[in-house]
Amino acid sequence: EPEVTQTPSHQVTQMGQEVILRCVPISNHLYFYWYRQILGQKVEFLVSFYNNEISEKSEIFDDQFSVERPDGSNFTLKIRSTKLEDSAMYFCASTWTSDETQYFGPGTRLLVL
Amino acid sequence: AQSVTQPDIHITVSEGASLELRCNYSYGATPYLFWYVQSPGQGLQLLLKYFSGDTLVQGIKGFEAEFKRSQSSFNLRKPSVHWSDAAEYFCAVGLFPSGTYKYIFGTGTRLKVLA
Repeated sequence: EPEVTQTPSHQVTQMGQEVILRCVPISNHLYFYWYRQILGQKVEFLVSFYNNEISEKSEIFDDQFSVERPDGSNFTLKIRSTKLEDSAMYFCASTWTSDETQYFGPGTRLLVL
Repeated sequence: AQSVTQPDIHITVSEGASLELRCNYSYGATPYLFWYVQSPGQGLQLLLKYFSGDTLVQGIKGFEAEFKRSQSSFNLRKPSVHWSDAAEYFCAVGLFPSGTYKYIFGTGTRLKVLA
């Protein structure tokens, strides 16, 4: 069964550094999402992406964040200058249409020191 | 504003006992409804979903959920819990609050199973 994959599974970085989290959505999916889960808290929507542009972003998704689909398979989340409060699990998700079940990747656990 | 409430942060049950996890949502229309499970260190696995039709839906691992429109609820149930069900369970609604489909998650219920 096709699945969403994410790399790396864990990343530790210093505050102020740039990080890029990578996701490979299911191959025929068209809609892509990033969510994050701060430890002990609920999963929060960050951004949705379709047709090579952002469809919607949350208030969390400020200028330090960006997303890109650099080729036909990868979907990336970049944090330009990480802050301590960016430490969280980041989940990528994808769907075929805009109103279907979202399939989640295993997540990337980011720790900012 | 749209919201999803899971009133039980932690639940402990004995193995073999029945389980019900509560979920209530606040939304003007009937959203799409989901239950996901997250085992420690793992991602989110879909247990079941409701889009329309029969209000009692069956999922994987012996779980079921019932949509009750009058109560804006979508409670998850399992008749006999196994030790491997210990995990965190998230209720989510899929909706179009501003034209773009996204999920809103509840805060989760952590299930502990006693042997």
